[in-house]
Amino acid sequence: NAGVTQTPKFQVLKTGQSMTLQCAQDMNHNSMYWYRQDPGMGLRLIYYSASEGTTDKGEVPNGYNVSRLNKREFSLRLESAAPSQTSVYFCASYRQGTEAFFGQGTRLTVV
Amino acid sequence: KNQVEQSPQSLIILEGKNCTLQCNYTVSPFSNLRWYKQDTGRGPVSLTIMTFSENTKSNGRYTATLDADTKQSSLHITASQLSDSASYICVVSSQGSTLGRLYFGRGTQLTVWP
Repeated sequence: NAGVTQTPKFQVLKTGQSMTLQCAQDMNHNSMYWYRQDPGMGLRLIYYSASEGTTDKGEVPNGYNVSRLNKREFSLRLESAAPSQTSVYFCASYRQGTEAFFGQGTRLTVV
Repeated sequence: KNQVEQSPQSLIILEGKNCTLQCNYTVSPFSNLRWYKQDTGRGPVSLTIMTFSENTKSNGRYTATLDADTKQSSLHITASQLSDSASYICVVSSQGSTLGRLYFGRGTQLTVWP
């Protein structure tokens, strides 16, 4: 049982480049989330998907897009990376009444 | 507005000492509250869950309390160890038509010194 798997673990981008962060869960959870974590800021919600086929903006959605490809997969795309998007990104999945499970994070640096 | 506030922001204690972390929330309707531990460079991992009807729950050296009337929770760590050094995050879930929503506190950074 792998839980929540994120790829890649590390990435360096140049300003203006695009990339997609992948997330997959094997726990049959309906809800999936993307967060960013910056020093002193805690986890901030970028986007979430309450169920397959639906996505909603979180606290800091600007500069990001998401796709809930199927129940297992929820991807986060940066179309034109900016230095302000340098952060650690976490994907999580959740079934109501249980705990949220987090991936190991993607450390992204935009130069 | 649904919010989760944690205090203190950071805390340094000596190994073997006890400490208490606080969490106040305004999330409604309330479903449950969890405390997560996040080690440096890792994703958060759940320590304990509190539901509306529970006042106290223990998990080894960790004891969580919940006062649903005042919307406050605390996490008490007994006989601290160096491995307790981490960020502790309070997460409140709401119950609603969107199949639940999670609200995160910013965490308390605990450092245990030898």
